[in-house]
Amino acid sequence: AQTVTQSQPEMSVQEAETVTLSCTYDTSESDYYLFWYKQPPSRQMILVIRQEAYKQQNATENRFSVNFQKAAKSFSLKISDSQLGDAAMYFCAYWKYGGSQGNLIFGKGTKLSVKP
Amino acid sequence: GAVVSQHPSRVICKSGTSVKIECRSLDFQATTMFWYRQFPKKSLMLMATSNEGSKATYEQGVEKDKFLINHASLTLSTLTVTSAHPEDSSFYICSARPRSSYEQYFGPGTRLTVT
Repeated sequence: AQTVTQSQPEMSVQEAETVTLSCTYDTSESDYYLFWYKQPPSRQMILVIRQEAYKQQNATENRFSVNFQKAAKSFSLKISDSQLGDAAMYFCAYWKYGGSQGNLIFGKGTKLSVKP
Repeated sequence: GAVVSQHPSRVICKSGTSVKIECRSLDFQATTMFWYRQFPKKSLMLMATSNEGSKATYEQGVEKDKFLINHASLTLSTLTVTSAHPEDSSFYICSARPRSSYEQYFGPGTRLTVT
């Protein structure tokens, strides 16, 4: 069975600095998707970034980028120029490729605090 | 972007009563909808997956007679918590997936408190 592990329950970063959140996963599949979701205090889940496993190039979305290491099954999220609004729970998630079936498998989350 | 709504956002009910939570995809047809439960400071726990027009598939340990899920149309799924008890108090989140898509769009969640 697929599993997703986030080894950092809590992280802290100074405003304007850079922080990296770790995520590892276990799967025997070759085609899959990986996601980072943000859950602010409002509890609304927000998609931050996605990565298709077949793509070697790391995904980027403005200040957010990933370091995808397929062989190592690692998928870390880097947040550059951290802002106060980045404070939230961050969940790493895995989805197996294969049409519309299947569901997201979430890690336990990392709580990110941003210090002014 | 795709929007998913949930109603109500907060509900308080008495022990022994039933409560229904609605999940709607507002601007797309959702062939698959998911219901999650989230305890404080915890991750999302998948309760069940529902496909339009068919019975929901429940995760192990989730009582299907207690958590009734109906996905009657391509834009609406409902979760009914029957004979609610205080231990059912939690945050419930739905998500919806369009046909042939890997994207899941999440609703804002419903906080259920059973007194």
